[in-house]
Amino acid sequence: EAGVTQSPTHLIKTRGQQVTLRCSPISGHTSVYWYQQALGLGLQFLLWYDEGEERNRGNFPPRFSGRQFPNYSSELNVNALELEDSALYLCASSYTDSRLAGDTQYFGPGTRLTVL
Amino acid sequence: DAKTTQPNSMESNEEEPVHLPCNHSTISGTDYIHWYRQLPSQGPEYVIHGLTSNVNNRMASLAIAEDRKSSTLILHRATLRDAAVYYCILRVIMNYGGSQGNLIFGKGTKLSVKP
Repeated sequence: EAGVTQSPTHLIKTRGQQVTLRCSPISGHTSVYWYQQALGLGLQFLLWYDEGEERNRGNFPPRFSGRQFPNYSSELNVNALELEDSALYLCASSYTDSRLAGDTQYFGPGTRLTVL
Repeated sequence: DAKTTQPNSMESNEEEPVHLPCNHSTISGTDYIHWYRQLPSQGPEYVIHGLTSNVNNRMASLAIAEDRKSSTLILHRATLRDAAVYYCILRVIMNYGGSQGNLIFGKGTKLSVKP
C-alpha cells in the first residue's frame, strides 16, 4: 500500500513569492492534515481538510490556505512568503472515523521550503 | 486537551531496552494514549496506542499505569535506527465515529542511541 506522498521534496523561493505544496493521502483516507515544522519551533498544526471541506485551522495568518480535491488530495498555498515561513511542511492523512485504525495519522516525508 | 509531560532527552546503548516515560495526570476516561516518533529528516510515524491495558506490537510495548496518570513506551532492544524524537499524545476516540482532528505535539523526548 502506497503511503502519503508529497511534492515537491525541496523548494527555494524568495520573499514575497507564492508557493503551492501538494499531498496525496493513503487510499481510503478522507482526512488530510497540514503541519509546519520550523527549526526550533516543533510541529505546529496548520489545516485540516475532510471530505473536501476545511474542518479546522491552526493559529496561522490567512495567507496560508489550501483545499482538498474530490480525490482527497490536497494543496497548501502560501502567499507573500516571509523568511520565517522557511520550514518543513508535513502532510498527514487518516480515516475520518476515529474508530478506524485507532485514529492514527500517517505522515508523508514533507516538503522542505527555504525562503531567501 | 489533557497535557503530557516527557523528559527532554534520554540516552540508551544499542541492543539494550529503553523505557520512555510520559506523565498525563489530567487524563480523562475517554483519552487514548498515542505514541509517535520522528526520525531525523522524516515525518512522524505512529508507534503504538492504548487505553487501559498494556499493548504490544512489532515496534514497541506500551505499559499503562493502573491509574492511567502515566505510561511508558518500551523499546525492547534499541537499535541505532531508533534514535528519534518520541511524542506522547492523548487522543479521544469518538464513539459516534468523528475525529478529534489534528494532533497536538509537545516537545517530545529526544532519544540518542550509542553503539
